[in-house]
Amino acid sequence: ELKVEQNPLFLSMQEGKNYTIYCNYSTTSDRLYWYRQDPGKSLESLFVLLSNGAVKQEGRLMASLDTKARLSTLHITAAVHDLSATYFCAVDMGKGGSEKLVFGKGTKLTVNP
Amino acid sequence: DAGVIQSPRHEVTEMGQEVTLRCKPISGHNSLFWYRQTMMRGLELLIYFNNNVPIDDSGMPEDRFSAKMPNASFSTLKIQPSEPRDSAVYFCASSFVLPPLHFGNGTRLTVT
Repeated sequence: ELKVEQNPLFLSMQEGKNYTIYCNYSTTSDRLYWYRQDPGKSLESLFVLLSNGAVKQEGRLMASLDTKARLSTLHITAAVHDLSATYFCAVDMGKGGSEKLVFGKGTKLTVNP
Repeated sequence: DAGVIQSPRHEVTEMGQEVTLRCKPISGHNSLFWYRQTMMRGLELLIYFNNNVPIDDSGMPEDRFSAKMPNASFSTLKIQPSEPRDSAVYFCASSFVLPPLHFGNGTRLTVT
């Protein structure tokens, strides 16, 4: 059974600081996704990582994937309040076409002024 | 595109009642997923369809839950009879060929 673990589960940080969220998974997969969820809202796709060494950046967020280590990171640079949300990583269990994703528990990020 | 549309947004019902949640996927998407989100268990995949055919329903908690996709533009998740432990936010999501999944706004179900 695929397990996806995120840490930390809760993160409180000050504006302007940097931090990294980690996502480990237990079985081989080349496809990993990051989502953002605001309180009471739906999940919004942030990054799609489809191969070992993939790196994607959008604004103050950068995601990377190391399939050999079964590890993805989401790095936050110079955090701002608008980044406060819960961030989920999800790993694709399947091979080939559209398959199911297994989600981590999420990291609730709070950025304080 | 209007995105994935779910209804109702909120549902409050009494234990033992039947509940039906509805989902309209994004036009052209060929996979549809039902997830359940709770504080304790996080996001759990209940069932997913590919080209209207159920592919994996191993996440459906028990026989009280059933899901159908009669055509490419509509799916239902039914709980009969409902129980208080079914209270959660139920998300429908769709995708074309591969993830990422596009999620609806969810249905918040409360069973009293």
